Amino acid sequence: DIQMTQSPSSLSASVGDRVTIACRASQSIRSYLNWYQQKPGKVPQLLIYAASSLQSGVPSRFSGSGSGTDFTLTISSLQPEDFATYYCQESYRTSSTTFGQGTRLEIK
Amino acid sequence: DVQLLESGGGLLPSGGSLRLSCAASGFSFSSHAINWVRQAPGEGLEWVSAISSDSVYKFYADSVKGRFTISRDNSKNTLYLQMNSLRAEDTAVYYCATVKGDTSGWYYRDWGQGTLVTVSS
Repeated sequence: DIQMTQSPSSLSASVGDRVTIACRASQSIRSYLNWYQQKPGKVPQLLIYAASSLQSGVPSRFSGSGSGTDFTLTISSLQPEDFATYYCQESYRTSSTTFGQGTRLEIK
Repeated sequence: DVQLLESGGGLLPSGGSLRLSCAASGFSFSSHAINWVRQAPGEGLEWVSAISSDSVYKFYADSVKGRFTISRDNSKNTLYLQMNSLRAEDTAVYYCATVKGDTSGWYYRDWGQGTLVTVSS
């Protein structure tokens, strides 16, 4: 199975900050990498698919990059509504998938 | 609008059985693969099971293989998860999620609100 490791596990930042979350796969997954945002008590929401494609309706301050085993999610200027938990997910195969453990983004 | 509505969750003892349902509307249900994903209280997301649009392919996480069975009824636009031999570690919110994508990859675009399964030990 492919293992996904996110770093950091938690992060404190201020409104307006630039934030980067990393995700590493245990093997190459090419660009088959998605990012989700989940707020407390809410359903996960797709932000980025195929490593760098912005889902429709998602603000442009969110961006994704990477390929192979190393990926990043960047929020260019944090807004109050961005404080949430973020998950990466590999979609290298259709027979299974793995999520990262999550990165909790908190207000400093 | 796409709607996915899970039901069937509840509280039950270890070793019990439960069937979850996911009623879909607002899209061509029979054209899409659909998955179950769960989230234990305070924990991250865990993939549980997947089924192809025509039910030919079914896949399971090792943690549920042999105990859970995924199925769908395209005539009723409904997805199911039969859960047997339940364990305390199966306690979680269970989400159904549609698989969307193309040659650049697949992803979960639409999620249900989830149904809580609590297994007491």
